[in-house]
Amino acid sequence: RKEVEQDPGPFNVPEGATVAFNCTYSNSASQSFFWYRQDCRKEPKLLMSVYSSGNEDGRFTAQLNRASQYISLLIRDSKLSDSATYLCVVNSPNDYKLSFGAGTTVTVRA
Amino acid sequence: EADIYQTPRYLVIGTGKKITLECSQTMGHDKMYWYQQDPGMELHLIHYSYGVNSTEKGDLSSESTVSRIRTEHFPLTLESARPSHTSQYLCASSRDAYEQYFGPGTRLTVT
Repeated sequence: RKEVEQDPGPFNVPEGATVAFNCTYSNSASQSFFWYRQDCRKEPKLLMSVYSSGNEDGRFTAQLNRASQYISLLIRDSKLSDSATYLCVVNSPNDYKLSFGAGTTVTVRA
Repeated sequence: EADIYQTPRYLVIGTGKKITLECSQTMGHDKMYWYQQDPGMELHLIHYSYGVNSTEKGDLSSESTVSRIRTEHFPLTLESARPSHTSQYLCASSRDAYEQYFGPGTRLTVT
């Protein structure tokens, strides 16, 4: 079983729409959770950390459900520039390593 | 912008050649990582280091080797390149267990 599983999409949405997607993780002892963004043929970059109480960063909202071991990302008022692959990332407990999901591709159309 | 650099950015090389992919960072991070990523696939950790003279193999078996003689430098070497090594190689560094900063990657093609 993969440590982090994501719906690959793609999610094709019009500008201004709201899009949401989840990922699940297998290790219940994981403590740190993140969403990274990866543009086509570029390196991943941290989008936001995910906190237990849920957190918001502008148009992006992340939620964590420890009981069900899933993390969600919601993008409101989608922009063309939001088109990218979103990677769900979970830390290895008691370690500095990160496990990356394969990513969810979002395409925002005009 | 993260101060982490990789060279070369693109490399096309013949089977059997020895190659070294360079990675350096100027952030003073102790922890450095090498990932392999095929198109549309997840990143796989192939090597990591938590400090000078400390290196470990990652979760994905790899025929490459690494060294960490200086904090800022973490080169990856393939002694004999094969077509199966064709992939993108991403180097990253971190200060702690949280954000990892990635270099721009090296796209390797072995013919």
